[in-house]
Amino acid sequence: GDSVTQMEGPVTLSEEAFLTINCTYTATGYPSLFWYVQYPGEGLQLLLKATKADDKGSNKGFEATYRKETTSFHLEKGSVQVSDSAVYFCALKDSNYQLIWGAGTKLIIKP
Amino acid sequence: SAVISQKPSRDICQRGTSLTIQCQVDSQVTMMFWYRQQPGQSLTLIATANQGSEATYESGFVIDKFPISRPNLTFSTLTVSNMSPEDSSIYLCSVEVDSGANVLTFGAGSRLTVL
Repeated sequence: GDSVTQMEGPVTLSEEAFLTINCTYTATGYPSLFWYVQYPGEGLQLLLKATKADDKGSNKGFEATYRKETTSFHLEKGSVQVSDSAVYFCALKDSNYQLIWGAGTKLIIKP
Repeated sequence: SAVISQKPSRDICQRGTSLTIQCQVDSQVTMMFWYRQQPGQSLTLIATANQGSEATYESGFVIDKFPISRPNLTFSTLTVSNMSPEDSSIYLCSVEVDSGANVLTFGAGSRLTVL
């Protein structure tokens, strides 16, 4: 079945560092891809999404490009802040319109 | 987007007891979803709750263990019955804010610890 694999956390970076959180997927057809973020004590919220190959989703300085050739949707940010500390989830919408989730990657940003 | 309130936010429960989690949404929604997030694992959909009909359960989840109520378009409850330590998890309520796009809004979750 369809699946999503994320890099394991926690990922610890200093403020203003460059961030990459890897996400790869296996799916039949052409799924939509999502990144959700969960800040401490809050519910998950959509960060960005992409619905077809080569689409780039972006929000709050974060970007991810839908790469069909590598089945990847890596999350990047050029300069992280302490306020970016959260758990990040990669997900896909499969052919049955169900969301398949990655395990989440905890990001810790130190000042 | 919708605002979701879940309670309790956390609880410690004894083995064999049951606990009901409440989910209140500030707007009317057709479908509400209940997820489980076990430690270090991804989210797993338990069931989809539509108002006025029986909830639809995913493989591995049954109504006797996780009964769900959906009395109106803004409220739902999930009960975790006859709990065991394996039920220790975060339970999340969510709604779809953009019909057909599978963009979900989540509550903050209910963290249950079963001793």
